[in-house]
Amino acid sequence: NAGVTQTPKFRVLKTGQSMTLLCAQDMNHEYMYWYRQDPGMGLRLIHYSVGEGTTAKGEVPDGYNVSRLKKQNFLLGLESAAPSQTSVYFCASSPTGADYGYTFGSGTRLTVV
Amino acid sequence: KQEVTQIPAALSVPEGENLVLNCSFTDSAIYNLQWFRQDPGKGLTSLLLIQSSQREQTSGRLNASLDKSSGRSTLYIAASQPGDSATYLCAVFSGGYNKLIFGAGTRLAVHP
Repeated sequence: NAGVTQTPKFRVLKTGQSMTLLCAQDMNHEYMYWYRQDPGMGLRLIHYSVGEGTTAKGEVPDGYNVSRLKKQNFLLGLESAAPSQTSVYFCASSPTGADYGYTFGSGTRLTVV
Repeated sequence: KQEVTQIPAALSVPEGENLVLNCSFTDSAIYNLQWFRQDPGKGLTSLLLIQSSQREQTSGRLNASLDKSSGRSTLYIAASQPGDSATYLCAVFSGGYNKLIFGAGTRLAVHP
């Protein structure tokens, strides 16, 4: 009963490097989300998906790209990392958006130096 | 624009106290409200989910209420324990946004 799994759990990047964060869920949920959490800012939505093959922008999408090629996976990409992207990234999923609660992964702590 | 505010930002209480955490939101057109717990360095654990048609939800020592018309929710924790120490986050799901909007959280410390 894995729920939502995020990999990696920790990563240090140099400015300008690229990387992909992987989120996988085994609950057959339609909706998936990427949030970032920063001290004093709360959780802010980066991108989300309402089904396989769909993506949409959230509040803070700049500098990130996403893909949902398979229903169970939601990938978050940083093409050219910047120090401002140092944060803790959380993935979440839900069966639909409105009627059910969200399940969160344990997070990825990313530091860009 | 939906905004969620949580008061207080931090709370320190002795073990055994009953306590109330507050959450307010500016747009009453919500589908549901969810309370989460977050331990330091960890992810979010869902505590209670209240649908817009409900007034309250209970789970063990936790009770959450919802008053849509006034834009408020409270999380009541009975007989607090040191293990309850964590940050508690309130989030609302609003129509038209397709997303949870979070408050900044209340950091709770329960000391023996």
